Amino acid sequence: AQKVTQAQTEISVVEKEDVTLDCVYETRDTTYYLFWYKQPPSGELVFLIRRNSFDEQNEISGRYSWNFQKSTSSFNFTITASQVVDSAVYFCALSKGDSNYQLIWGAGTKLIIKP
Amino acid sequence: SQTIHQWPATLVQPVGSPLSLECTVEGTSNPNLYWYRQAAGRGLQLLFYSVGIGQISSEVPQNLSASRPQDRQFILSSKKLLLSDSGFYLCAYDTILAGVLNEQFFGPGTRLTVL
Repeated sequence: AQKVTQAQTEISVVEKEDVTLDCVYETRDTTYYLFWYKQPPSGELVFLIRRNSFDEQNEISGRYSWNFQKSTSSFNFTITASQVVDSAVYFCALSKGDSNYQLIWGAGTKLIIKP
Repeated sequence: SQTIHQWPATLVQPVGSPLSLECTVEGTSNPNLYWYRQAAGRGLQLLFYSVGIGQISSEVPQNLSASRPQDRQFILSSKKLLLSDSGFYLCAYDTILAGVLNEQFFGPGTRLTVL
């Protein structure tokens, strides 16, 4: 069965610190997709990244970076030099891999950046 | 460009009253459509998804129903609301082009309070 685990319920750091949000997944599919979404206090979910199972390259986008490791079934997200605007709930998700491509969602990590 | 609309933004309804939430997508054809519910401080729960007009799949048995009368319109309904129906309802869509899954995009959400 597919599963996504975000073990960190809440993380609190001081502005400018680096922070890593963990995501561990379980799947038997050989082809799958992994996603990260951000949910600021306004509530709307904002897409951050999509990664397919055949692409293990790490990605960097500004202060954001993602580390995909199939050997440990992890897809971790790091924010460098965090800012108050990064405060949000972050969700990791895994595609189900069948023709409908529904997502399996983690429980989310609430990130609090203190000024 | 593609956009997704949801209304109303907020709703306060008495127990036992009916419900109708609407979601429309612009700028794409034949999207997969999704209804999620998020309880306060919790993750996302998939309620319904649809891969085409008139095709609805239910993930969680409850007193809610969904319909897709048009390609880009998705409606969430209830004949009689329960207190437990309170939450944040999110509509989302994604598309599959040439066998490649694209990410889900989310609407702004409807915050429902049942009193």
